[in-house]
Amino acid sequence: DAGVIQSPRHEVTEMGQEVTLRCKPISGHNSLFWYRQTMMRGLELLIYFNNNVPIDDSGMPEDRFSAKMPNASFSTLKIQPSEPRDSAVYFCASRPGQGTDTQYFGPGTRLTVL
Amino acid sequence: AQSVTQLGSHVSVSEGALVLLRCNYSSSVPPYLFWYVQYPNQGLQLLLKYTSAATLVKGINGFEAEFKKSETSFHLTKPSAHMSDAAEYFCAVSVSGNKLVFGAGTILRVKS
Repeated sequence: DAGVIQSPRHEVTEMGQEVTLRCKPISGHNSLFWYRQTMMRGLELLIYFNNNVPIDDSGMPEDRFSAKMPNASFSTLKIQPSEPRDSAVYFCASRPGQGTDTQYFGPGTRLTVL
Repeated sequence: AQSVTQLGSHVSVSEGALVLLRCNYSSSVPPYLFWYVQYPNQGLQLLLKYTSAATLVKGINGFEAEFKKSETSFHLTKPSAHMSDAAEYFCAVSVSGNKLVFGAGTILRVKS
């Protein structure tokens, strides 16, 4: 079975540009999570969806960040405009059910903003 | 609010030796606890989780962890380290299973 798929795997952009990260969750999973990993802050949850509906976006750093899940098989995380401090690895994870069901992580997108 | 402290950002063991990675948590309500492993340039993989059933939890690859409420700990152990265990390990806490709060991670090095 295919796991969580993220694209692109690497993204290098210049400050001020729009960046869109993409995620395809595991088929049949109904929860999706976006995480960010940095040396300074470690792994932190940005937002999660349940049945395509955003449930908790309290981790989204600021209005420059937005996330959507138009259907059960696709989600995007957009940064506009991007800043150098957004450089990080962004992970998407999906979960089959609720609560303590295992979250399955994708390979991540390494974003570098120059 | 929940938090996790992982003692030791780097741990080095010899192949065949005991692996012990320490995790202490803070939570105002009974927590769920998780250990994840991250290999270089990969996503996180669940090793094991505690969800209020047995306090000794067995996971994949020979790892296990024991939930000790009195010590607010959830240390990860493996009796005999393999070279393939070299990776970064993250402890995480949650009260609902939704929002995982991760520790800073411990890099495990295995010496031959």
